[in-house]
Amino acid sequence: DTGVSQDPRHKITKRGQNVTFRCDPISEHNRLYWYRQTLGQGPEFLTYFQNEAQLEKSRLLSDRFSAERPKGSFSTLEIQRTEQGDSAMYLCASSFSRTGFYEQYFGPGTRLTVT
Amino acid sequence: AQSVTQLGSHVSVSEGALVLLRCNYSSSVPPYLFWYVQYPNQGLQLLLKYTTGATLVKGINGFEAEFKKSETSFHLTKPSAHMSDAAEYFCAVSDQTGANNLFFGTGTRLTVIP
Repeated sequence: DTGVSQDPRHKITKRGQNVTFRCDPISEHNRLYWYRQTLGQGPEFLTYFQNEAQLEKSRLLSDRFSAERPKGSFSTLEIQRTEQGDSAMYLCASSFSRTGFYEQYFGPGTRLTVT
Repeated sequence: AQSVTQLGSHVSVSEGALVLLRCNYSSSVPPYLFWYVQYPNQGLQLLLKYTTGATLVKGINGFEAEFKKSETSFHLTKPSAHMSDAAEYFCAVSDQTGANNLFFGTGTRLTVIP
């Protein structure tokens, strides 16, 4: 069990540029979640996948954001035309269930700074 | 809808003193409750969780929390603080069905004074 990994750990970009983040979940986990955490706040849910299907999206996920999980393994989160308000830590979590409850394991996060 | 309120954005305790971090929740369905810890520039680590059964739950690093339905609370305690406990602590609530999405509080930063 190597844990959830995220790449890159830090990203600095200029306003208007596109960025893409990657998340590799724990290998047997079928659910994958994305959260956003701004300074001084708790993480906020963005979206989640069960296998390759994106089952729920938060209102926070504007049309500039898109997430994919093409083969039900790793996932990518793309932000187009970044804005300064997109500066945050983007956290990925994965989970599976044997009992009907999905316990989430978090990655280290990708910190995005938009200048 | 679920939500969490953490009272006190900053808590300072002396090394060896009792740690008490407060969390109150709101949920229209029976909740699952969690405490996570976050060290600087790191992700979240699960300290403990309440799903069903015993209302006093024990977690890692000597922490425990008690689910009190009548008070809608899930306060985190540790009898004796250690310097390594200094971190940000988040309380979270989840529903029991569907996505099991987590709804987090705004966090409490714990400082341990030597």
